[in-house]
Amino acid sequence: GAVVSQHPSWVICKSGTSVKIECRSLDFQATTMFWYRQFPKQSLMLMATSNEGSKATYEQGVEKDKFLINHASLTLSTLTVTSAHPEDSSFYICSARDSLAGDADEQYFGPGTRLTVT
Amino acid sequence: GQNIDQPTEMTATEGAIVQINCTYQTSGFNGLFWYQQHAGEAPTFLSYNVLDGLEEKGRFSSFLSRSKGYSYLLLKELQMKDSASYLCALLDSNYQLIWGAGTKLIIKP
Repeated sequence: GAVVSQHPSWVICKSGTSVKIECRSLDFQATTMFWYRQFPKQSLMLMATSNEGSKATYEQGVEKDKFLINHASLTLSTLTVTSAHPEDSSFYICSARDSLAGDADEQYFGPGTRLTVT
Repeated sequence: GQNIDQPTEMTATEGAIVQINCTYQTSGFNGLFWYQQHAGEAPTFLSYNVLDGLEEKGRFSSFLSRSKGYSYLLLKELQMKDSASYLCALLDSNYQLIWGAGTKLIIKP
């Protein structure tokens, strides 16, 4: 089956620093990747849709200058949390849609990255 | 607009059957997903329905009625490892997933 990896799986950083999270589709090409954030005991919240070779589409309320998304290739999207603050501490999950699959509706999820900002 | 409702929490007994309902309102529909999510982990795919009817996959089955805006996930022969949150997600007209808040399922011995 389709595999999506994320790196790192967890990270602790100091307030004011930036953190980059990578999302890779390992065995398929993904023209579209999605970045979600999930706070404890809450459902996933879509932050942005990342399209290969173009600018990401951000959901309402998500600061595009704070959460920088780059989708430079068909297998890699990165999310950079700039000037992180404790309130950015969350579980960040990416998903990818297989561009070449006949039934292209399923999203494959990465394992998630737990960010803690101290 | 779009809206998805599912119960916040359910409790069931090991070995029993449980049905988790999901109702939705949407202007565009391209399918409905069910995902399982254990605490601290990313969601894992369970089922996808785009046509009315029942899809069976082992101990799990999912049903869809598009005219009623209704789906359910049926879990049979419950095991302790089935304790998790179950997320209903709607694929809208833009092929984006709209997530329900999830149903926390607690399995008791």
